[in-house]
Amino acid sequence: GQNIDQPTEMTATEGAIVQINCTYQTSGFNGLFWYQQHAGEAPTFLSYNVLDGLEEKGRFSSFLSRSKGYSYLLLKELQMKDSASYLCAVRDWWGGSQGNLIFGKGTKLSVKP
Amino acid sequence: NAGVTQTPKFQVLKTGQSMTLQCAQDMNHEYMSWYRQDPGMGLRLIHYSVGAGITDQGEVPNGYNVSRSTTEDFPLRLLSAAPSQTSVYFCASSYSPGREVTEAFFGQGTRLTVV
Repeated sequence: GQNIDQPTEMTATEGAIVQINCTYQTSGFNGLFWYQQHAGEAPTFLSYNVLDGLEEKGRFSSFLSRSKGYSYLLLKELQMKDSASYLCAVRDWWGGSQGNLIFGKGTKLSVKP
Repeated sequence: NAGVTQTPKFQVLKTGQSMTLQCAQDMNHEYMSWYRQDPGMGLRLIHYSVGAGITDQGEVPNGYNVSRSTTEDFPLRLLSAAPSQTSVYFCASSYSPGREVTEAFFGQGTRLTVV
């Protein structure tokens, strides 16, 4: 079956580093995406991994291990505006699939002063 | 650059009423989809389309219809609204898998309440 797991909530301090983990089991795999969603707003794209390793984009980094079905999003130098939900999503692409995005339930991050 | 435009932003319906949520994108994306987002459930796929004239069901299609007559537009129809359809609805579009850039872009969402 299709399953994507991530922690429900996390709390961190302004200026610190936080790592949000995501594990997945899907029928196929054609990339893992991280989205940020502020309360009452639409998800916005943060990062994409299709090969194993680390992708860095400013204060945000994302890591992927396909053999372990594991990814993490690393946020450095946390700011209050980083308080949001972070959604892990896998593009499920195999012979019988059209490449739909399957989302985890999201991790609500609260950044405290 | 408009991106993905979704209307309306808010809607209240009575049980049994029908309505259409509109979605349009101007990025020439082949792939379009509709999700609903409920507390504690994450984003769940309702219907999707891989191109004009082609649609298919997602995880939670019951009570919804879609059509894709053009590349740009992908409306979602609620046939007979039920309180269980109270949710936030998001339309998304992207290039097809296999392209270099495949992230999905989301509309601003529609908050639907069925009473």
